[in-house]
Amino acid sequence: NAGVTQTPKFRILKIGQSMTLQCTQDMNHNYMYWYRQDPGMGLKLIYYSVGAGITDKGEVPNGYNVSRSTTEDFPLRLELAAPSQTSVYFCASSYSPAYGYTFGSGTRLTVV
Amino acid sequence: AQKVTQAQTEISVVEKEDVTLDCVYETRDTTYYLFWYKQPPSGELVFLIRRNSFDEQNEISGRYSWNFQKSTSSFNFTITASQVVDSAVYFCALSESAGGTSYGKLTFGQGTILTVHP
Repeated sequence: NAGVTQTPKFRILKIGQSMTLQCTQDMNHNYMYWYRQDPGMGLKLIYYSVGAGITDKGEVPNGYNVSRSTTEDFPLRLELAAPSQTSVYFCASSYSPAYGYTFGSGTRLTVV
Repeated sequence: AQKVTQAQTEISVVEKEDVTLDCVYETRDTTYYLFWYKQPPSGELVFLIRRNSFDEQNEISGRYSWNFQKSTSSFNFTITASQVVDSAVYFCALSESAGGTSYGKLTFGQGTILTVHP
């Protein structure tokens, strides 16, 4: 049982480049989330999804896009990377928000 | 809007000391859920405990215990007889009920860095 799998684990981007952070879960969870964690800070919600085909913005969505074509996958797209997007990105899924999340291991992204 | 405050940015203790991490929250919902997560130096987020707003019982799990008090909107976490392996960042988080438009989004505190010295 893999849980939540994020790829890549590390990535360095140049300013203006684009990339997709992959997230997949094998627990058939409807709820999925993307958070970013800046140094010394808590996690902030970027986007979330309550099921295939349904996504919505979180607290810090600017510069990002998501899609949810299947229950399993919830990729996060960065367009025109900026240094402010240097962060650790966590994907999470949940059967029910009352039971908390299962987090992926994170993607450490540096934009130079 | 919901908010979680962890007033202690960093705590440093010597092994075998007891340590309490404070968490205060704000929410307008009557149904909500509180969580503690641990983030060791390796970086992953490890779930420790969940508590719903209707259950104010304190809980003990080994060396860990949690004190939930609705009257003061607090959900504090105590480690008894701390060990070096407890060194990590600890996050308190709040989720409103899945009903309405909240969809269970977690609001995190800024975290408390705990360092346990041998």
